[in-house]
Amino acid sequence: AQKVTQTQTSISVVEKTTVTMDCVYETRDSSYFLFWYKQTASGEIVFLIRQDSYKKENATVGHYSLNFQKPKSSIGLIITATQIEDSAVYFCAMREANSNNRIFFGDGTQLVVKP
Amino acid sequence: EAAVTQSPRNKVAVTGGKVTLSCNQTNNHNNMYWYRQDTGHGLRLIHYSYGAGSTEKGDIPDGYKASRPSQENFSLILELATPSQTSVYFCASGDEGLGGRYEQYFGPGTRLTVL
Repeated sequence: AQKVTQTQTSISVVEKTTVTMDCVYETRDSSYFLFWYKQTASGEIVFLIRQDSYKKENATVGHYSLNFQKPKSSIGLIITATQIEDSAVYFCAMREANSNNRIFFGDGTQLVVKP
Repeated sequence: EAAVTQSPRNKVAVTGGKVTLSCNQTNNHNNMYWYRQDTGHGLRLIHYSYGAGSTEKGDIPDGYKASRPSQENFSLILELATPSQTSVYFCASGDEGLGGRYEQYFGPGTRLTVL
């Protein structure tokens, strides 16, 4: 069965530092896609970054990057040089290539960036 | 960029009343989704659709119906609203477009309170 688990419910960091948010997933499909979304305080949910399972290189977009460890079924989100506006809830998600276009979400990690 | 809108943004309903939440997307995506978000549960899938005329049950469909009359519009219907359906509802659209874009794009959410 498909499952996405985020064990960190809340993380607090000082701005300009680097933070890593953990995510592990379960799937029986050999091909899948992994996503990270950000939900701001206003409730808006925004797509951040995607990792395709067949790609060995870690995806990077701006100051977001991923740590994809396929043997461990792990996809960590790394935010470098954090800013106050990075404070949000971050959701990890997975879609199997042979699925019916469904995406499975984790329960989210609350990130607080302090001055 | 993706554009998903929802109406109403806020709704107060009475127990036993009928509630219709509407979603419109201008992305020409085939797939649309309805989620609810409650504290501590992340995003849970209620119904989804592959295209006009189709609806599929998600993980928590009981008490909800869905309607997809066109490519652009997807509605969530609560025939007999109950207080347990008080939540924030998100609509999303997604597709396997050119370049392998498999992520979903979310609307701003509808806050529903059932008294």
